[in-house]
Amino acid sequence: EAGVVQSPRYKIIEKKQPVAFWCNPISGHNTLYWYRQNLGQGPELLIRYENEEAVDDSQLPKDRFSAERLKGVDSTLKIQPAELGDSAVYLCASSPNSGRQYEQYFGPGTRLTVT
Amino acid sequence: GDSVTQMEGPVTLSEEAFLTINCTYTATGYPSLFWYVQYPGEGLQLLLKATKADDKGSNKGFEATYRKETTSFHLEKGSVQVSDSAVYFCALWSGNTGKLIFGQGTTLQVKP
Repeated sequence: EAGVVQSPRYKIIEKKQPVAFWCNPISGHNTLYWYRQNLGQGPELLIRYENEEAVDDSQLPKDRFSAERLKGVDSTLKIQPAELGDSAVYLCASSPNSGRQYEQYFGPGTRLTVT
Repeated sequence: GDSVTQMEGPVTLSEEAFLTINCTYTATGYPSLFWYVQYPGEGLQLLLKATKADDKGSNKGFEATYRKETTSFHLEKGSVQVSDSAVYFCALWSGNTGKLIFGQGTTLQVKP
């Protein structure tokens, strides 16, 4: 079974530029998460989807961050414009369903560097 | 709010040494507890879990016991290998918030 796929793996951009990250969850997993992991820290939840609905986006900085999961499968996280403090690893994870949120499978992450 | 605190790293051990990584938590109610491992260049992988007090999670020679009285979930392994070198994250599942909350991670380096 294929795991969670993320791309790109690495991205370097200048501040004020836009950037987008893509995630393909494990097949059949209805719940999808985006996390941000700052250097030397644990992951912190940005947004959680149940199918195509964003059910928890309380930690997403909505002035510059946006996310979508149009068909309830793949998801895209966007930052526009990027700031220096956005440099981090962005992790995508998925769970079989909302009843098993404690069971999360993580992708390898996208390492973003903003210069 | 709910939180997880891990011992600071890096932890450097020789091969076959005994490993302990301390983890304590603060939570309302009775959370489920987890250890995740992140190998270089890879995503986080669930290593083991415990869902109630006195439960012992185990996997690949690693163990951790859910201690409600001390609010702890320390990770142990009797004999580490070079291949165990990674970052280890303690986490709790909070039913109150519906979130997986991670500690800051502890880097383990095992030398031959």
